[in-house]
Amino acid sequence: LAKTTQPISMDSYEGQEVNITCSHNNIATNDYITWYQQFPSQGPRFIIQGYKTKVTNEVASLFIPADRKSSTLSLPRVSLSDTAVYYCLVGKGNLIFGKGTKLSVKP
Amino acid sequence: GAVVSQHPSWVICKSGTSVKIECRSLDFQATTMFWYRQFPKQSLMLMATSNEGSKATYEQGVEKDKFLINHASLTLSTLTVTSAHPEDSSFYICSASFGGPNTGELFFGEGSRLTVL
Repeated sequence: LAKTTQPISMDSYEGQEVNITCSHNNIATNDYITWYQQFPSQGPRFIIQGYKTKVTNEVASLFIPADRKSSTLSLPRVSLSDTAVYYCLVGKGNLIFGKGTKLSVKP
Repeated sequence: GAVVSQHPSWVICKSGTSVKIECRSLDFQATTMFWYRQFPKQSLMLMATSNEGSKATYEQGVEKDKFLINHASLTLSTLTVTSAHPEDSSFYICSASFGGPNTGELFFGEGSRLTVL
């Protein structure tokens, strides 16, 4: 399984765009990249999934360069309610969570 | 998206008692469900994979006799913490996978917080 590396924490202010990068140098050819969001005392929630280039949904965008060794989750115009831990998982059905990135959005 | 529900959302029990946590997939059939535990300020740790109609597969270091998993139907998996002790106090989360063969997207329950006194 591909090991992932993310920043432990990030700070932002309301209205800013936040980009969280995940490194996954040994990603396999068939691996997808999936991001989850977790609020305190709640189960994680799926945000977005991609394989290559760019994926966008109503919540976020996911940018994946051609070598796929990293990916960037982009949250446009964050609000206080986006304060959460964000996890990057790599692999088909990958069940192993890394430490995630704790995003703190300030007013 | 698909819905996974857990019950109870929180439980307090005395040391030595057993506690059962239910995980249901409400709008889809889940042949496989997964159980995680999460300690404060830590990430999720996969405990076991629950397979409908067969024995669960436990991760290394997880005691199968301590954490009994039953997946009797396509919509229900249960985790029983037997003879619970204070060190078993944790946040237990179940999940199920729904989607095509290449997605692997996981849907999670709300979590169940166990406090053992």
